[in-house]
Amino acid sequence: AQTVTQSQPEMSVQEAETVTLSCTYDTSESDYYLFWYKQPPSRQMILVIRQEAYKQQNATENRFSVNFQKAAKSFSLKISDSQLGDAAMYFCAYRGDQTGANNLFFGTGTRLTVIP
Amino acid sequence: DTGVSQDPRHKITKRGQNVTFRCDPISEHNRLYWYRQTLGQGPEFLTYFQNEAQLEKSRLLSDRFSAERPKGSFSTLEIQRTEQGDSAMYLCASSRNRGVNEKLFFGSGTQLSVL
Repeated sequence: AQTVTQSQPEMSVQEAETVTLSCTYDTSESDYYLFWYKQPPSRQMILVIRQEAYKQQNATENRFSVNFQKAAKSFSLKISDSQLGDAAMYFCAYRGDQTGANNLFFGTGTRLTVIP
Repeated sequence: DTGVSQDPRHKITKRGQNVTFRCDPISEHNRLYWYRQTLGQGPEFLTYFQNEAQLEKSRLLSDRFSAERPKGSFSTLEIQRTEQGDSAMYLCASSRNRGVNEKLFFGSGTQLSVL
């Protein structure tokens, strides 16, 4: 079974600084998708960024970027120029690309605090 | 795009009672998912619908749980004879299509407390 591990239960960052959240995963599949979701106190999960495993280029979305290391099965999220609104729980998630692989596997999350 | 809505937002019930939650996906989305999230954990997959067909169920979905999506629109998740271990947040998500461009939109969840 696929597993997703987030080893940092909590992280903090000064406003305007950069922070990196770690994620590792275990899979025997060669094709899959990786995601970072943000869950603010409103509880609604919001997609931050997505990476296709067949793409070597790391995904970027404005201040958010990933460091995808397929061989190491590592998928970290870098948040640049951190803002107060970035404070939330961040979940790393995996989804296979096989027919019938419809569900996301989530890690246990990292709570990010942004210090003004 | 009015987003995925879930009702109720909070539900408190006594052990042994039945509860039902509703999810209204984004109107043109044919795929609908239910997840459960317990305190300190990430969401765990429960079940998936494509239109009105329930195509996948997790082993977490015991026989006390039933989900429906009549006419491929809204969905309901019913828990019969609730137990304290059912206390969790139940999240619904929907999407338009699968594949590289699939993007899940989540609702704000229903927080269930079983006393």
